[in-house]
Order: sequence, then C-alpha cells, then structure tokens
Amino acid sequence: DQQVKQNSPSLSVQEGRISILNCDYTNSMFDYFLWYKKYPAEGPTFLISISSIKDKNEDGRFTVFLNKSAKHLSLHIVPSQPGDSAVYFCAAAANYGQNFVFGPGTRLSVLP
Amino acid sequence: EPEVTQTPSHQVTQMGQEVILRCVPISNHLYFYWYRQILGQKVEFLVSFYNNEISEKSEIFDDQFSVERPDGSNFTLKIRSTKLEDSAMYFCASSARPGQGRQPQHFGDGTRLSIL
Repeated sequence: DQQVKQNSPSLSVQEGRISILNCDYTNSMFDYFLWYKKYPAEGPTFLISISSIKDKNEDGRFTVFLNKSAKHLSLHIVPSQPGDSAVYFCAAAANYGQNFVFGPGTRLSVLP
Repeated sequence: EPEVTQTPSHQVTQMGQEVILRCVPISNHLYFYWYRQILGQKVEFLVSFYNNEISEKSEIFDDQFSVERPDGSNFTLKIRSTKLEDSAMYFCASSARPGQGRQPQHFGDGTRLSIL
C-alpha cells in the first residue's frame, strides 16, 4: 500500500545548484504534508510543511510546491550545500488526523 | 532548540520479554506519537496520544503494545511479549496544540530495539 511515493531512491547534485525532490500521493484526502531530513543514527528533522489550502510555502533555502490536481509535491533546495546530504522523507496526513504516512525517502548527495 | 529525547539508544531483549521504551517530549507539546522503522522499510505510524488517551492507532499497534504518560514529562511505549519481528528503530515524536494551522511532529533520535 504505497499511498506516498518517492520514486527516486537517490539524487546527486552539485553544490550551489538546485535540488528538487519529488513526492507523489494517491489518497485525495491528504490535506497536510511535511518534509523531513534524516541523517544516519538520528531521527527525522522537520524541514517545512504545507497544507492543502496553499500551493507553495517557503522557508529560507527550502520551498515546497503542492499540485493537488496532480497529487504531487516537490521540495526545492536552493542553493544546495554539502550539509544537505541526507535522506529526505515526505509525509502526509488526512482529515486533520495525526497518522502521518511516510514515503520511502530519497537520498540526496550534494557534491562539493 | 527544544528536542525530543529517547532512552535507551539501543535496547537488546530476549524474545518473549517485556520492553519499555522511554521518551521525553518537548515540554510544551500536548500530542505524542510513536513510529517505527524496520530496517530497509518505511517509517510507520503506531499510535498517537492526547489528553491521557490514545487518539489514533494503526493496525500494527495490537494488544501487545501499550502507551503511558506516567508523569508530566515521560511518554512510554511498552511491548508486552516481544517477537523477532518487533526488531526496529522506534521513534517518539511530539507536536504542539494546533493554533492557526496544523503543527508538525518533531522526532527524537530513536531507540534501536533488537530482539534475540
């Protein structure tokens, strides 16, 4: 049951360039989306969120875009830094629920 | 920055034994959660807890699992009779009361549970 998909298991980007991480979902009831970053041996660290009433949210170098009709969201990191190298998860919840469904993650490598 | 803390970082237990995983959520948070991640698999929701009771739970959270907030700071997950398939990383998370919008969940660094 893959309600939240991250079809790219890995992504490599040059330092200073843009990183674009993608996430697709199947449940049209999802109304709140989160992006997390995870380093080895640490828990997921919250990055940015977006609710279904918006199509864009920006916080510093991180921007999340939501396309509800396509059931697609993306995380843009500009400019990418080597410290951004981590696994990125998108997570979604429905109907003001607290049960977040996580995607499988994308491993981002930012090359100096 | 306030953080969620979990102890122990690694727990090794014999199959059939009870285990208690401990968490100290962020102090002004009111919602508490447990997730797990089996090696190589996705992070999976187990349970959410608010106002001293379970508010949501997944199919994974069967009668072998229980949660408790024994005092004003700790939040625990108990597995009564552990099975080999309970081996996983267990993450605790907490979130603030929703204000003008939804609030994100903030995670601890996890407890690695190994069942022998």
